[in-house]
Amino acid sequence: KQEVTQIPAALSVPEGENLVLNCSFTDSAIYNLQWFRQDPGKGLTSLLLIQSSQREQTSGRLNASLDKSSGRSTLYIAASQPGDSATYLCASTTDSWGKFQFGAGTQVVVTP
Amino acid sequence: GAGVSQSPSNKVTEKGKDVELRCDPISGHTALYWYRQSLGQGLEFLIYFQGNSAPDKSGLPSDRFSAERTGGSVSTLTIQRTQQEDSAVYLCASSPRGAGGPRNEQFFGPGTRLTVL
Repeated sequence: KQEVTQIPAALSVPEGENLVLNCSFTDSAIYNLQWFRQDPGKGLTSLLLIQSSQREQTSGRLNASLDKSSGRSTLYIAASQPGDSATYLCASTTDSWGKFQFGAGTQVVVTP
Repeated sequence: GAGVSQSPSNKVTEKGKDVELRCDPISGHTALYWYRQSLGQGLEFLIYFQGNSAPDKSGLPSDRFSAERTGGSVSTLTIQRTQQEDSAVYLCASSPRGAGGPRNEQFFGPGTRLTVL
């Protein structure tokens, strides 16, 4: 069974600093990996989806990389802002139809 | 356009009662997923629908849990004889699966917070 781990569990940075969030997975035969953010009491907002054939995806200040051989994905958030404070979750699937295994998340606080 | 919607947003029930949770996926999305988010358990998969069929029900925790989907659209998750350990946030997601957009990108609803007293 795929296991997804996110370290650290919590992270606090001053505004303007770059954020680096790590996700590792045990089964390298992933089909997709998706990054989400979750605000308190809210659902999940999709940030980036990386398909197995891709090495990275970019959207604005966000960049996510995928290294299947080492079982890792990294989410970079450039020039962090207080509005980036949230819990970030990664999820991967080894099935073509998308049953996700989620990490426990990294809780991020960006201080002004 | 409209995203995934879920109702009710909050549900408080007494132990032993049945509850129904509803999910309206994004129009045209053929795949629909139910997940549960519990304190200390993280997010766990419950069931997956492709159209009205459920090829994977492996995450349903017991036979008290069931789900259906009608018209390839709305889905209902039913929990019978609720127990306190059923208290959690139940999240629904949908995916286009060939209707356009990246394959398998899942879009989540706001969830239903279920509290069993």
